[in-house]
Amino acid sequence: GENVEQHPSTLSVQEGDSAVIKCTYSDSASNYFPWYKQELGKGPQLIIDIRSNVGEKKDQRIAVTLNKTAKHFSLHITETQPEDSAVYFCAAFNTNAGKSTFGDGTTLTVKP
Amino acid sequence: EAQVTQNPRYLITVTGKKLTVTCSQNMNHEYMSWYRQDPGLGLRQIYYSMNVEVTDKGDVPEGYKVSRKEKRNFPLILESPSPNQTSLYFCASRPGQPLYGYTFGSGTRLTVV
Repeated sequence: GENVEQHPSTLSVQEGDSAVIKCTYSDSASNYFPWYKQELGKGPQLIIDIRSNVGEKKDQRIAVTLNKTAKHFSLHITETQPEDSAVYFCAAFNTNAGKSTFGDGTTLTVKP
Repeated sequence: EAQVTQNPRYLITVTGKKLTVTCSQNMNHEYMSWYRQDPGLGLRQIYYSMNVEVTDKGDVPEGYKVSRKEKRNFPLILESPSPNQTSLYFCASRPGQPLYGYTFGSGTRLTVV
């Protein structure tokens, strides 16, 4: 089955700095890669996604890149703010099979 | 408001006492899924459904049952709960098309003693 590895498990940055979270996946059949943000006591919330036929996508301060050959994808947050502090999950979906696999999460702390 | 609603939010039960966690979505989504979240293990898929009467196992299905008799509802059933099923559970739904991620419920924290 699919295996998703996410690094780092914790990340602490100063407000205004950039944060990068990296994921690798194993199943070449995975074709959709969403990123979720989970705040304390809440369910995960989709923040950005990328499809397997796209290499990069940007939405304001957040960007995601995908390298299908290497089976790597990354989340980039620029100009971080304290409200960006949360747990971030990457995921790999095989939408043809309905299965989804999540990484173990990265706890991001943005210090004011 | 478009949402996934799970109930209850918190549940403490005893080993072996059957329980059901309900999940309902109002977005007419085809896909629904159950996940459990444990510290350091991320979100693991228990069961998923691609449409009414179509369900399949995820990565950790042992000890759980599901049903999808209606499009909007996807209950999670624990026939004989055990302490190792103490966890935070999330229900989620997504459309079949266009390709889009899951919308998650607020979670159910289950404790089995």
